[in-house]
Amino acid sequence: AQSVTQLGSHVSVSEGALVLLRCNYSSSVPPYLFWYVQYPNQGLQLLLKYTSAATLVKGINGFEAEFKKSETSFHLTKPSAHMSDAAEYFCAVSTRESGGGADGLTFGKGTHLIIQP
Amino acid sequence: EPEVTQTPSHQVTQMGQEVILRCVPISNHLYFYWYRQILGQKVEFLVSFYNNEISEKSEIFDDQFSVERPDGSNFTLKIRSTKLEDSAMYFCASSEDRGRGTNTEAFFGQGTRLTVV
Repeated sequence: AQSVTQLGSHVSVSEGALVLLRCNYSSSVPPYLFWYVQYPNQGLQLLLKYTSAATLVKGINGFEAEFKKSETSFHLTKPSAHMSDAAEYFCAVSTRESGGGADGLTFGKGTHLIIQP
Repeated sequence: EPEVTQTPSHQVTQMGQEVILRCVPISNHLYFYWYRQILGQKVEFLVSFYNNEISEKSEIFDDQFSVERPDGSNFTLKIRSTKLEDSAMYFCASSEDRGRGTNTEAFFGQGTRLTVV
């Protein structure tokens, strides 16, 4: 079985400040991990994914995430927040051998990122 | 930029009625998925579809649900006899591949909000 926990349903940061969105996973086998973003009135967009290559994964829009097996974490960070980063962010895990697509993803509840001017 | 489109954006139906949610995946994609998110809860996997048949389904996807690719472009989710607990946002997604290659990103639609009254 696999599961994802996102700490904090809402995170508020000032423009220009560090963004840190937390994600912890549970998996009985090596996981594949994803971060998706949802802007208002839009679909889910893939930010980045970890599929057992480099533990530090760089994504779009300046975001990156680090896979830490010892902490079962995959936290999302961005050094400097921009107003356009305001959105809902979802962490997801898959243990499917494929590692790609959207087969059997288990999502977290999401974190709403608020950017203060 | 190619995108997954879902119609309608919002549907209200009476309990016990059949409802069909429609999706147009990206044209060269071969793998299709449905997910749902009940308000305040996690995004949940329903089903994946490839080569005109279901490849995986979750426990949620019982006999009340069915999927179809009726004409080579649309991908539909049918709920035969809706229940109040079927009220949710339903997301369609598609991907070109689902292996470990480079074309495995899943693109999600904007979602259809289904309200059962």
